[in-house]
Amino acid sequence: AQSVTQPDIHITVSEGASLELRCNYSYGATPYLFWYVQSPGQGLQLLLKYFSGDTLVQGIKGFEAEFKRSQSSFNLRKPSVHWSDAAEYFCAVGRYNNNDMRFGAGTRLTVKP
Amino acid sequence: GAGVSQSPSNKVTEKGKDVELRCDPISGHTALYWYRQSLGQGLEFLIYFQGNSAPDKSGLPSDRFSAERTGGSVSTLTIQRTQQEDSAVYLCASTPGGTQYYEQYFGPGTRLTVT
Repeated sequence: AQSVTQPDIHITVSEGASLELRCNYSYGATPYLFWYVQSPGQGLQLLLKYFSGDTLVQGIKGFEAEFKRSQSSFNLRKPSVHWSDAAEYFCAVGRYNNNDMRFGAGTRLTVKP
Repeated sequence: GAGVSQSPSNKVTEKGKDVELRCDPISGHTALYWYRQSLGQGLEFLIYFQGNSAPDKSGLPSDRFSAERTGGSVSTLTIQRTQQEDSAVYLCASTPGGTQYYEQYFGPGTRLTVT
């Protein structure tokens, strides 16, 4: 089965600084990769997803992620963080024609003023 | 339009009691997922419904857990003889179809506390 590792449990960045959240997956074939955000008291919202094609994918709220097969990574980036980006971020991996999606443990982002 | 709704939003129960958690998916969505979110553990897949097909129960942690989906819409997750380790947030998600291509739309969750 596929699995996901998010090495950073908690990250703090200053507002306006750049952000990179790490995600490593384990899966033998081409994975389907996702980033979700969970704001306090809110449900999970999809930021972006990768299925095939261009390895750099753009998402909502100014986020992007790059699929690197050689590193089994799908890191999330944002050039300039806003205070409203403070939330929990989850990376997830799915498989073609398979029902379950595996989520990472999440990375909590704190934004300093 | 209305999103995925879950009820109750919070549930406190005594150890050994049974609980039922409800999920109302987005109208017209044929696929429905249940997940469990424990502190620092990410989301754990529990069960998946797709249309009239037999559900994928491979994620249910024990036979105390069961779920049904009536009329292809509302789903109920039942936990019998609750244990303290069942305390978590239970999330429901629905999608328009049965493949990973579709975005999963999540409900706000039910926070279950077993005392």
